[in-house]
Amino acid sequence: SQQGEEDPQALSIQEGENATMNCSYKTSINNLQWYRQNSGRGLVHLILIRSNEREKHSGRLRVTLDTSKKSSSLLITASRAADTASYFCATGPELTGGGNKLTFGTGTQLKVEL
Amino acid sequence: DSGVTQTPKHLITATGQRVTLRCSPRSGDLSVYWYQQSLDQGLQFLIQYYNGEERAKGNILERFSAQQFPDLHSELNLSSLELGDSALYFCASSDHGSNTGELFFGEGSRLTVL
Repeated sequence: SQQGEEDPQALSIQEGENATMNCSYKTSINNLQWYRQNSGRGLVHLILIRSNEREKHSGRLRVTLDTSKKSSSLLITASRAADTASYFCATGPELTGGGNKLTFGTGTQLKVEL
Repeated sequence: DSGVTQTPKHLITATGQRVTLRCSPRSGDLSVYWYQQSLDQGLQFLIQYYNGEERAKGNILERFSAQQFPDLHSELNLSSLELGDSALYFCASSDHGSNTGELFFGEGSRLTVL
């Protein structure tokens, strides 16, 4: 089962516009991660935000986290055609004895048109 | 290039057959993860190994098994294959065993069961 659900499922914007994707999750977390996947390729880590952080920036990426609402958002500013990809949020429960059961949401397909 | 190597890239086989997918993690990474990505199920966590031992388990079928060898490479064995096993299988690695940081993904092995 999916731990996170992204919204919207698909998003189409023009180059230069901002893109916002949302993620909701179900259980308590110690961090939340965002990944990007180009069509049929491996996932690439974008950014990690810890449960005690509310906002984090990396280049054109801005991530927010609201643990009270169990939600996160990813903002890509000044989008480019090369940003066209699927974006996934990922969370994992804290497991007794360690372990990392990182589970991914359903993803948002972003298309940036010229 | 993530540094994670998966072979084979593509595999076509028939129902009832058995296949082995191979993964070499990034140099120095002790954890290996296996994920299955299909259109209807999304990205599903299968299993994690840390330094040769199973650390976390997801929705892995009994027909599937995995192991991590002393040199840290891992293999995922899929047996009695069914049409529904057709999917992209990803391996990922990390230098940590718990949910504390990013995963590095390989480019995947695309399995087609006819």
